[in-house]
Amino acid sequence: QVHLQESGPGLVKPSETLSLTCAVSGYSISSGYYWAWIRQPPGKGLEWIATIYHGGTTYYNPSLKSRVTISVDTSNNRFSLKLNSVTAADTAVYYCARRYTGYEGLYFDFWGQGALVTVSA
Amino acid sequence: QSVLTQPPSVSGAPGQRVTISCTGSSSNIGAGSDVHWYQQLPGTAPKLLIYGNFNRPSGVPDRFSGSKSGTSASLAISGLQAEDEADYYCQAYDTTLTGSVFGGGTKLTVL
Repeated sequence: QVHLQESGPGLVKPSETLSLTCAVSGYSISSGYYWAWIRQPPGKGLEWIATIYHGGTTYYNPSLKSRVTISVDTSNNRFSLKLNSVTAADTAVYYCARRYTGYEGLYFDFWGQGALVTVSA
Repeated sequence: QSVLTQPPSVSGAPGQRVTISCTGSSSNIGAGSDVHWYQQLPGTAPKLLIYGNFNRPSGVPDRFSGSKSGTSASLAISGLQAEDEADYYCQAYDTTLTGSVFGGGTKLTVL
């Protein structure tokens, strides 16, 4: 069974950089699939942030692209997210997920438990 | 404002059937993108419920079913149970945004 676990600071100051890592177990990132970050502000809906393939190809939500970097570390079977110049609007639960791509479309089949990141001074 | 539109809430009594709609546009569902559904129980991460418009992952009861037509999709839940009370989200791929988009979510209340 694929397991994903987010980690990183739970509190970030405004204008600073949010950094999160997702550790993957039960599946080797190098074997394939795409890997993604999705966030959910408190009491609100889901927003896709970015996706990366194990080879390094990246895709970003246009609304966040100028502030986001997603990267992969295949040697440690994990991938990461950096979001710079954060504001209170970036306060959210951040999920990492595996994205399936195939005949039935593009969907997220395994999710981490989520990490709450609060932006506050 | 989400790219995919869902009703904010639906409700039904135990045993009843409810449907949740998901309306998109010509750049996502209408462009042929498959629609997927997620169930989010209170305080937990979303869980894949329906993929490829109507397919259920292993372990998902057949009380849950999905369909798609034109620029819209629907999730139907029959034989409502108390444990179905959750938020439900639809998701598709948008060719204009070149990325995944979600509906705003629908809160299901079992009366």
